[in-house]
Amino acid sequence: AQTVTQSQPEMSVQEAETVTLSCTYDTSESDYYLFWYKQPPSRQMILVIRQEAYKQQNATENRFSVNFQKAAKSFSLKISDSQLGDAAMYFCAYRGVFRDDKIIFGKGTRLHILP
Amino acid sequence: EPEVTQTPSHQVTQMGQEVILRCVPISNHLYFYWYRQILGQKVEFLVSFYNNEISEKSEIFDDQFSVERPDGSNFTLKIRSTKLEDSAMYFCASREDRVDEKLFFGSGTQLSVL
Repeated sequence: AQTVTQSQPEMSVQEAETVTLSCTYDTSESDYYLFWYKQPPSRQMILVIRQEAYKQQNATENRFSVNFQKAAKSFSLKISDSQLGDAAMYFCAYRGVFRDDKIIFGKGTRLHILP
Repeated sequence: EPEVTQTPSHQVTQMGQEVILRCVPISNHLYFYWYRQILGQKVEFLVSFYNNEISEKSEIFDDQFSVERPDGSNFTLKIRSTKLEDSAMYFCASREDRVDEKLFFGSGTQLSVL
């Protein structure tokens, strides 16, 4: 079975600085999707960024980028120029490529932004 | 952007009572999911639903749980006899039929069992 591991329960970063959140996963599949979701205090689940495993190029979305290392099964999220609004719980997630595959979440990393 | 709508946003019930959590997925979506999150913990998969039947369910989704899509628009989660440990945020999600399509989450229903 696939698993997603986030080893950092909490992190803090100074406003305007850069922070990297770690994620590792385990799968025997060669093709899959990886995600980072943000959950602010409202508890809404917001998709931050998505990576297809067959793409070597790392995904980027404005200030958010990933470092996808397929061989190492590592998928870290880098947030540049951190803003107060980035404070949230961040979940790394995995999904297979079959039509009805579910998303599996890690335990999350709570990110604090220090003014 | 289209939204998945969940009602109610908060539900308080007595232990042993039945509750129904309601979701209106995005209209052209075909895959539906329920997840739950106990406060401070990870988001856990409960069940997936496609073509009017359950595709997959987790160990959490026991005989006390059921899902239904009664009228082609609503997607409901019923807990027959609630337990204290059912207290959690319940998220509904949906997506289109395309394999690479992203999952849209509702804003959740906070269920408190007293």
